[in-house]
Formats: sequence, structure tokens, C-alpha cells
Amino acid sequence: DIQMTQSPSTLSASVGDRVTITCRASQSVSSWLAWYQQKPGKAPKLLIYQASNLESGVPSRFSGSGSGRDFTLTISSLQPDDIATYFCQQYDTHFTFGGGTKVEI
Amino acid sequence: EVQVVESGGGLVQPGRSLRLSCAASGFSFDAYAMHWVRQAPGKGLEWVSGISGNGGTTGYADSVRGRFTISRDSAKNSLYLQMKSLRPEDTALYYCVKGNGGSFQEDFFDYWGQGTLVTVSS
Repeated sequence: DIQMTQSPSTLSASVGDRVTITCRASQSVSSWLAWYQQKPGKAPKLLIYQASNLESGVPSRFSGSGSGRDFTLTISSLQPDDIATYFCQQYDTHFTFGGGTKVEI
Repeated sequence: EVQVVESGGGLVQPGRSLRLSCAASGFSFDAYAMHWVRQAPGKGLEWVSGISGNGGTTGYADSVRGRFTISRDSAKNSLYLQMKSLRPEDTALYYCVKGNGGSFQEDFFDYWGQGTLVTVSS
């Protein structure tokens, strides 16, 4: 099985900060990677698919990059509404999620 | 508007069975793969099972293979998960999730339900 490792597990930042979350796969997943945002008590929401494609309706301050094993999710200017846990997911071979990154202000 | 609504969760004893249902609306149900993803309390996400749009292909996580069965009914726009031989470690919030394509390979998840809670305990 492909393992997904996210870092950091918790991130504390200020409003307006540039925030970067990384995700590493145990083997190449090409660009078959998605990012999800989960707010407390809510279902996950798709942010990014195929490593860098922004889902419709998602603010442009979110961006994704990477291919192969290493990926990043960037929030260019952190907003209070971005407080959430973020998960990466590979969908190259079945589906596995990273452990999550909790973003706090 | 795309909607997926789960039902059927509850408290069940270890070794017993439970069937989850998911009612889908707002999209052409037969055209898309569907999945079940679970989240244990305070934990991360785990893909459980998926089924292609035409129902011809299914897949399971190793942790549930042989115990869980996924199915779909196009006439009712519904997805199901039959769970047998339940274990305490199956305790989780189970999400019904819409895939982006018809095949569940190389498929990401674009709409999630609010989940139904399954608790396995004596």
C-alpha cells in the first residue's frame, strides 16, 4: 500500500501569513493527488485535484504543486475561515490519505 | 444541487451486521463511481470501498475485504454498504462520497455526505 506522510501535523500561523503544508508519498503517484479541507464537525471538502487543479468555487489563495512523491498545498494569505484540518490523498493505486495537518491561528 | 445523504448507522454488538444506505440526487447517478470513506473518532480518513458507475467493478480496503459488500441500485439512486462480522475497530463516521469519474480507479472525491455513525460495542 502507498503511505502518505503529511507535515507538519499542527501549524500555528497568523492572519495574512503564507502557509505551506507538505505531503510525501511512499512511492510515485504521478499527479494523482488531491487535497481536502475539513472543518470541525463537517465533512471534508475538495480543494485541489490532480496535484494543482483548483476545484470550482475554491478561493484562489489556495494552490497545489508537485508530482511524483512530493507535494505541497499553499495558502497564500491565511484567513480566519481557513481554520481547519487539511488532508492529502493519493488516488494512483486505490486511495490513501495523509494523517492531516491542523491549521490554527 | 448534488446531495448524498447517509442513513443506517447505530450501535451494534461485535460480530453482528449492519447495512448503510446513501441516497443520491442532483447528478446522473449511473455515470459516477461512488465510495465509502470512514473516520474513527478524532482520527484521520480511511477509504473503505468503491464501486464503478455501472456497478461492474468494486474495490475494498484490506481491513474490510471479505466482511463488507458495496452495492448500488440505479433505479433508486442509492448506494449501500453491507457490513458483517463487525469489530470494535470498525467504529467510525461513515461517509458516502461521490467520485469524479465513472471508474473508481484514478478517481478523486468531489462531494461528501455528512456521515452516519457506526458504533461497535458490547
